[in-house]
Amino acid sequence: NAGVTQTPKFRILKIGQSMTLQCAQDMNHNYMYWYRQDPGMGLKLIYYSVGAGITDKGEVPNGYNVSRSTTEDFPLRLELAAPSQTSVYFCASSLSGPDYGYTFGSGTRLTVV
Amino acid sequence: AQRVTQPEKLLSVFKGAPVELKCNYSYSGSPELFWYVQYSRQRLQLLLRHISRESIKGFTADLNKGETSFHLKKPFAQEEDSAMYYCALSPGRRALTFGSGTRLQVQP
Repeated sequence: NAGVTQTPKFRILKIGQSMTLQCAQDMNHNYMYWYRQDPGMGLKLIYYSVGAGITDKGEVPNGYNVSRSTTEDFPLRLELAAPSQTSVYFCASSLSGPDYGYTFGSGTRLTVV
Repeated sequence: AQRVTQPEKLLSVFKGAPVELKCNYSYSGSPELFWYVQYSRQRLQLLLRHISRESIKGFTADLNKGETSFHLKKPFAQEEDSAMYYCALSPGRRALTFGSGTRLQVQP
């Protein structure tokens, strides 16, 4: 049982490049989330999904896109990377919503130069 | 909109001393509150939740609606408690709002 798997763990991007951060869970959780964490700050919600085919914006969605074609996968797409997107990205999942607790991935540390 | 405030970035105590990690929130409804912890080189994980009224690893947290607080307490700190602690609020069936975190350092 792998839980929540994020890839890659580290990545350096040049300004203007694009990439996809992968997130997969094998717990049949309905809810999935993407957060970013800047140094000294809390986790800020980028996007979330309550089930396959359903996504919604969080607090800081600009510059990102998501899709949820299956229950297991919730990739986060960065288009035209900017230095402001340098951060640690966390994916999480939950069976039926935040009140049931999150299972987190190990994070992706992204640097945009 | 909801907000979670953890006023201390770093809390340093000696082993055996009491610990209180502060968390204040603002939310117009009836909140559900949580504490998450991240030990060194490990993933963020749920420590405890208000609705369960549980004690995990000796930690407890009481919701004080009058003071809008959910402070995390432990009577006797252990070195293995050293970690980052995040308070979080659930506004319902959406997503958690996290505080900025407090690093607890327990010195021998």
